Amino acid sequence: SQKIEQNSEALNIQEGKTATLTCNYTNYSPAYLQWYRQDPGRGPVFLLLIRENEKEKRKERLKVTFDTTLKQSLFHITASQPADSATYLCALAHQAGTALIFGKGTTLSVSS
Amino acid sequence: GAGVSQSPRYKVAKRGQDVALRCDPISGHVSLFWYQQALGQGPEFLTYFQNEAQLDKSGLPSDRFFAERPEGSVSTLKIQRTQQEDSAVYLCASSKRRFGTANTEAFFGQGTRLTVV
Repeated sequence: SQKIEQNSEALNIQEGKTATLTCNYTNYSPAYLQWYRQDPGRGPVFLLLIRENEKEKRKERLKVTFDTTLKQSLFHITASQPADSATYLCALAHQAGTALIFGKGTTLSVSS
Repeated sequence: GAGVSQSPRYKVAKRGQDVALRCDPISGHVSLFWYQQALGQGPEFLTYFQNEAQLDKSGLPSDRFFAERPEGSVSTLKIQRTQQEDSAVYLCASSKRRFGTANTEAFFGQGTRLTVV
């Protein structure tokens, strides 16, 4: 069956460091991969989308990579800040018109 | 408002009670999804609408779950004869594209937290 794993449930880092979150998947060939941020009591908020033919995408301090051979995406936050503390969700979709399949998320805590 | 609005924010239901959860998507958004999120888990797909047409309901866990979007805007998720395992946050998401949210940004509401006692 399809499976999405995010590297750890919790990640603690110091302010100013780079946070790296991992999303691995099996038995799946997604055309699209998205990353969302979710704060407690709130709905997910879209951050970045990357397509299967793209290796890397950047947006301000965020960077996403997508390796279809390794079946893995890495999500980086550079110069992390306490305000980056949240749960980050990886989501995959096989093709347009299909629903997103989400991982469990990784909770990032950035301490000052 | 400009975002996806869900109501109520919180709902406590006695086991066996019927509940109705409402979603107001962003005006003009064609695609609408419902997801269920259990504590500590990622959202899980329930059903998908393109305008008023329910194109995919494969994620609905049982026939006690029913969703509608009669005029292609507001959607209602109804759960009949609620059970304790239905306790979760129910999220609604919309996008302006016809073919879902796979290749575009999905806008989520804040969710309705349902607790069945």
